[in-house]
Amino acid sequence: EVQLVESGGGLVEPGGSLRLSCAASGFTFSPYSMNWVRQAPGKGPEWVSSISTRMTHIYYADSVKGRFTISRDNAKSSLYLQMNSLRAEDTALYYCARSPRSLTFDIWGQGTMVTVSS
Amino acid sequence: DIQMTQSPSSLSASVGDRVTITCRASQTISKDLNWYQQKPGKAPRLLIYAASSLQSGVPSRFSGSGSGTDFTLTISSLQPDDFATYYCQHSYSTPGTFGQGTKLEIK
Repeated sequence: EVQLVESGGGLVEPGGSLRLSCAASGFTFSPYSMNWVRQAPGKGPEWVSSISTRMTHIYYADSVKGRFTISRDNAKSSLYLQMNSLRAEDTALYYCARSPRSLTFDIWGQGTMVTVSS
Repeated sequence: DIQMTQSPSSLSASVGDRVTITCRASQTISKDLNWYQQKPGKAPRLLIYAASSLQSGVPSRFSGSGSGTDFTLTISSLQPDDFATYYCQHSYSTPGTFGQGTKLEIK
C-alpha cells in the first residue's frame, strides 16, 4: 500500500522549534519531488515547501522562508521539515504530499498537528 | 501571487443532480489547475490534474475543463459519497495557491 506517515507534531511555545518527519512506503521514494502542505483549523490547504528528487531545487512559501528547512533522505525514504522561530499563525495540520508533477499532490499522509501557543 | 477564487462557497444538491463548481485565477495559468476533494478529518484527495485529466481511481462522473483563467469541475450525477469540500489549486508556479473551497451539502 502506498503510504505517507507524518510524525513529530505537538504543542510548542512561540519562538520554539519542531522537526517533522514523513516516512514513505509502498513506492520508490527517490524519483518523486516531495512537499509539505499545511491546513489551519477550518481553513483551506496552504503549500509550505517543496524539494526535488536530489535536493537541487528547494522552494518555500514566503510565510516560512528563513524559518523552515525542508530536507529528505532517499536511503531512508523520508522527508523532514525543521521548523524554527514558530509563530501562532503556524498552528496547523501539516501534511506530507507526493508530487508526480510540479505542485500537484497525488498522495497525502494523515497529517501531524502543530500547535504554537503559550 | 496568483489568487484562486471559487464559486459558490457552498452548494446544496440532491443525489443524482449534476453539479458544477467554478474556479477563477487572477492571471492566466494555462491548464495548470488541479481539483481536490476533502472529507472531514481526512487529507485532500486529488481528483483532476492539468485541468481535465482524471486521476487514477477517480470515478468518471468527475470531469474538469477550462484553460487560461476560468475552470470548472463537474460531477455528472451526485452520489452520496460525493458530499464533501472541493478545492481548486493552481500548479503554475510557487506558491501553488488553493481556492477557498466549495462545501457541497445534501439538500
